[in-house]
Amino acid sequence: DAGITQSPRHKVTETGTPVTLRCHQTENHRYMYWYRQDPGHGLRLIHYSYGVKDTDKGEVSDGYSVSRSKTEDFLLTLESATSSQTSVYFCAISDSRRQSYEQYFGPGTRLTVT
Amino acid sequence: LAKTTQPISMDSYEGQEVNITCSHNNIATNDYITWYQQFPSQGPRFIIQGYKTKVTNEVASLFIPADRKSSTLSLPRVSLSDTAVYYCLVGANQAGTALIFGKGTTLSVSS
Repeated sequence: DAGITQSPRHKVTETGTPVTLRCHQTENHRYMYWYRQDPGHGLRLIHYSYGVKDTDKGEVSDGYSVSRSKTEDFLLTLESATSSQTSVYFCAISDSRRQSYEQYFGPGTRLTVT
Repeated sequence: LAKTTQPISMDSYEGQEVNITCSHNNIATNDYITWYQQFPSQGPRFIIQGYKTKVTNEVASLFIPADRKSSTLSLPRVSLSDTAVYYCLVGANQAGTALIFGKGTTLSVSS
């Protein structure tokens, strides 16, 4: 399995509080992604990064920000958590050096906003 | 990105071959077909990818007809551990491409 860890794995927070989720990789892959998964919606892309300090928005980026100051870390921040952001969050990485560009996913973070 | 249609669910027994078909009528010339597997409480895992004809790896085979408007994932001799959700994705094979996951096919394998 690709070396991807996510922290925390579970978090319960209150509406209006800031939350930061961390994705850490040991594979030195260039691309990193944040997805959220909700029942009935599959996985949806929030933000992605194509290098240190280089990020872009995905399909559902409102209410989220990201930062990547090192190759190995990609942080997802909910500035003011809302109940609609209760979800399972997955980080993924991919390597432009591989022909098929498949993405490797982390174990996920289950976030509950009360 | 091309839209995909696949069955919501399938049932099978251990030892049987399972074929999951995905329809993608609007596939573009430079699109590839990729399948992912997801177990409960885990992230998706890449299974196989192809462009045309047949691709086989140690886990599965992928059959793609000449018109590429559909594809079939074949899992030989499934076991209980193959119970999972299987996603068919169609898109350009470019680094940095966002993956668009539909609802997938929930495969249930029984003994």
